[in-house]
Amino acid sequence: EAGVTQFPSHSVIEKGQTVTLRCDPISGHDNLYWYRRVMGKEIKFLLHFVKESKQDESGMPNNRFLAERTGGTYSTLKVQPAELEDSGVYFCASSHRGYRVYEQYFGPGTRLTVT
Amino acid sequence: AQSVTQLDSQVPVFEEAPVELRCNYSSSVSVYLFWYVQYPNQGLQLLLKYLSGSTLVKGINGFEAEFNKSQTSFHLRKPSVHISDTAEYFCAVIHAGGTSYGKLTFGQGTILTVHP
Repeated sequence: EAGVTQFPSHSVIEKGQTVTLRCDPISGHDNLYWYRRVMGKEIKFLLHFVKESKQDESGMPNNRFLAERTGGTYSTLKVQPAELEDSGVYFCASSHRGYRVYEQYFGPGTRLTVT
Repeated sequence: AQSVTQLDSQVPVFEEAPVELRCNYSSSVSVYLFWYVQYPNQGLQLLLKYLSGSTLVKGINGFEAEFNKSQTSFHLRKPSVHISDTAEYFCAVIHAGGTSYGKLTFGQGTILTVHP
C-alpha cells in the first residue's frame, strides 16, 4: 500500500508569488488533513477534509490560504500571495473511516521557503 | 481548548540505556492521546495511541506509554534504546467527540539522540 505522498518536496518562492502544494492520500482514506510546522514551533493543524467536504478549517491562518479536494481524492493547498511568515514545512495526513479515523498517516512534508 | 507540553526539547542518552520522554496535556474535555516519531527526512509515524481501556499502551519498536489521568500525563518509555531510535518525538491529543475529531494538537517535540 502506497503511503501519503506530497509534491513538491521543497519549494522556494519570492514574497508575493503563488505556490500550490499537492497531497495524495492513501487510497481509500476518506479523511485528509493539512498541518504546518513553522521553524522552532509546534506542528499546527490547518484543516480536515472528509471526502471533498471541509469538516474543520479552524486552523487556516487567513484567506491567502485555499485548500481544495476535488472528487475526494488528492488535495491542493494554495498560498496566494505568499508572505515570509508562511515559510515552514507543510504536512499532509490521511486516515480511514470508523474506529481507525484516529490513526493518521503522514506524508514526508513540503518544505516551503518564502524569500 | 487543549494544549500539550513536552517538558524536554532534547534528550541525549547512551545506547542500551532506558529513556523516558515526558508529555503533559491540559484540556477541559476528554482527549485521546498519541505519540508520533519523525525520523530524518521522513514523515511522522504513529508510535502508539490511547483511546480507552488499559492505561499502559504498547506501541511499535518497543515503546510504551502510560496514561495518567490525575496527573494529565502520557509519558513515553523504552527500557533499552538503540542508535536507530534517534529521531524527533511528538506527543499529541485529539478532543474526544465533537466535530474536531481529526484535529491533532501537538507538543513542541523532543529530539532524542542516542549515543554509542
